[in-house]
Amino acid sequence: DGGITQSPKYLFRKEGQNVTLSCEQNLNHDAMYWYRQDPGQGLRLIYYSQIVNDFQKGDIAEGYSVSREKKESFPLTVTSAQKNPTAFYLCATGQGQNIQYFGAGTRLSVL
Amino acid sequence: DAKTTQPNSMESNEEEPVHLPCNHSTISGTDYIHWYRQLPSQGPEYVIHGLTSNVNNRMASLAIAEDRKSSTLILHRATLRDAAVYYCILRPLSNDYKLSFGAGTTVTVRA
Repeated sequence: DGGITQSPKYLFRKEGQNVTLSCEQNLNHDAMYWYRQDPGQGLRLIYYSQIVNDFQKGDIAEGYSVSREKKESFPLTVTSAQKNPTAFYLCATGQGQNIQYFGAGTRLSVL
Repeated sequence: DAKTTQPNSMESNEEEPVHLPCNHSTISGTDYIHWYRQLPSQGPEYVIHGLTSNVNNRMASLAIAEDRKSSTLILHRATLRDAAVYYCILRPLSNDYKLSFGAGTTVTVRA
């Protein structure tokens, strides 16, 4: 199956803990993105990467970190510095100016 | 970035057409008009996009005003599976390929 796989589907974070959300793609797309969605709101861009070993901050990067060591993978770490991490996290891929393809999302909650 | 304005919500009956308006009065000449939709608890999916001319695909039609300051997404025969949040997004012709999502229009389809 071609597509984007996000895992886990649900994740719980304890106080002071860092957690990592996985995003894997086999579409051979250069660009990958992480978005955050709060209830009833649109998506906000956290980080994006246009090429391996390079990434840029989006609109709300504080408290998050990413890496892009392989074309297929773009993991997002929600650090303890992110004080309000409860949200729906979406990963997407894209190629050039064309459309973006989204994963099914990870729902993160705080214990 | 140029902004879009959409109604918060719209209702339709099953098998009737749905016309979703979007205003983008500050659009620049190189901005593409993209539409995505998001079903409950899923990631967004691409619907259609265009620059100046009207566009049709298997999901919908996009009608773009001559001055490009507004556009309308047309779902020709709404089904219950079309109930979703629809996002109208302007995508600049730039190198970062980012999408900026607003709150979108929540479409409800009555059986």
